[in-house]
Amino acid sequence: KAGVTQTPRYLIKTRGQQVTLSCSPISGHRSVSWYQQTPGQGLQFLFEYFSETQRNKGNFPGRFSGRQFSNSRSEMNVSTLELGDSALYLCASSFGVRDEKLFFGSGTQLSVL
Amino acid sequence: KQEVTQIPAALSVPEGENLVLNCSFTDSAIYNLQWFRQDPGKGLTSLLLIQSSQREQTSGRLNASLDKSSGRSTLYIAASQPGDSATYLCAVRSKTSYDKVIFGPGTSLSVIP
Repeated sequence: KAGVTQTPRYLIKTRGQQVTLSCSPISGHRSVSWYQQTPGQGLQFLFEYFSETQRNKGNFPGRFSGRQFSNSRSEMNVSTLELGDSALYLCASSFGVRDEKLFFGSGTQLSVL
Repeated sequence: KQEVTQIPAALSVPEGENLVLNCSFTDSAIYNLQWFRQDPGKGLTSLLLIQSSQREQTSGRLNASLDKSSGRSTLYIAASQPGDSATYLCAVRSKTSYDKVIFGPGTSLSVIP
């Protein structure tokens, strides 16, 4: 069974640009969540989707948005990039929510210059 | 507001030693607690998931316990090996923070051959 797939693996952007990251969950998983990891702040929750609906959202500005498609694949978008958005963005999937083990992808390393 | 801490921040042990990693959380209203390991620049690998109604979970050389009333969990690693070197993170799914998953800062473990 294939794991969680995140694309692209690495991304370099300049300030002011926007970026879209993609996450394909494990087959059969309906929940996808996104996290930002930085050396200073650690792992922080961005948002979680289940069956195309956003269940909750972390404490991030409106420049960070996401969506989930009917096949459970998810995308997150960051508009008007800032230097501080440089981070490893991780996606996790699970079969359901609340009681389920999370399975993570390898992440997308975003560098904003 | 749920907060998760991990002690120690870093640990170095000789190969073969048994060791304990600690995780503390401030609010006992959780659905579950999960332990992960992360290798440098990579995603997270799930190790053990403990539901709020459980006291411990075991997998191979790993044993995780949960004391919800005191807000503590421990990860016990028996007979440590150099391949166990990684950062270990705990995360709780909080009932009082809109079901968000909140991570601790991690413990960086080095097992010396």
